[in-house]
Amino acid sequence: GAGVSQSPSNKVTEKGKDVELRCDPISGHTALYWYRQSLGQGLEFLIYFQGNSAPDKSGLPSDRFSAERTGGSVSTLTIQRTQQEDSAVYLCASSLGPPPEQYFGPGTRLTVT
Amino acid sequence: AQRVTQPEKLLSVFKGAPVELKCNYSYSGSPELFWYVQYSRQRLQLLLRHISRESIKGFTADLNKGETSFHLKKPFAQEEDSAMYYCALSGFNQGGKLIFGQGTELSVKP
Repeated sequence: GAGVSQSPSNKVTEKGKDVELRCDPISGHTALYWYRQSLGQGLEFLIYFQGNSAPDKSGLPSDRFSAERTGGSVSTLTIQRTQQEDSAVYLCASSLGPPPEQYFGPGTRLTVT
Repeated sequence: AQRVTQPEKLLSVFKGAPVELKCNYSYSGSPELFWYVQYSRQRLQLLLRHISRESIKGFTADLNKGETSFHLKKPFAQEEDSAMYYCALSGFNQGGKLIFGQGTELSVKP
């Protein structure tokens, strides 16, 4: 079956612009996670959704970052007024619900120039 | 504080040699521990989890609560094992979010 998909695969944006990253989880997976993979920082947790609600947003690095999930399915991660330090690969994962075996998407590589 | 430490950024071994990728964790409680692997140009995927106590692709990992370690071992490395390996923990009642180590790149030479 189809795995987790993310779009776009690559995004280059200018500093100060807003970007939206999309994640389509595996059908039926109630839990959805966003992580960020950057040089020197490894893999960092950003936010977790159970259904449409986000009980854990503790990993969002600043109020420029937000995410939503609609219909218990697709999720969008929005970064406002992008900064160069936002450059990273943004990974989405989904699972049937905790405890996790998380299935990861291919990631979106964001480059802020 | 929750933390996962993988002390080696790069581990290079020859084919057929034993390999051990180290992982230590810090967590006040009983976490669930995982090893995830990312092969070149592929997605991050689960390799094994401590509660299943199984061997995957010849790899095993034992949770040592006294030493707070979860080292990944394989007696005879193969070239196809070359990949990036991440140790991760999930805390009790935390929704399943994963705290990852920095990763260890394993290079198996012919």
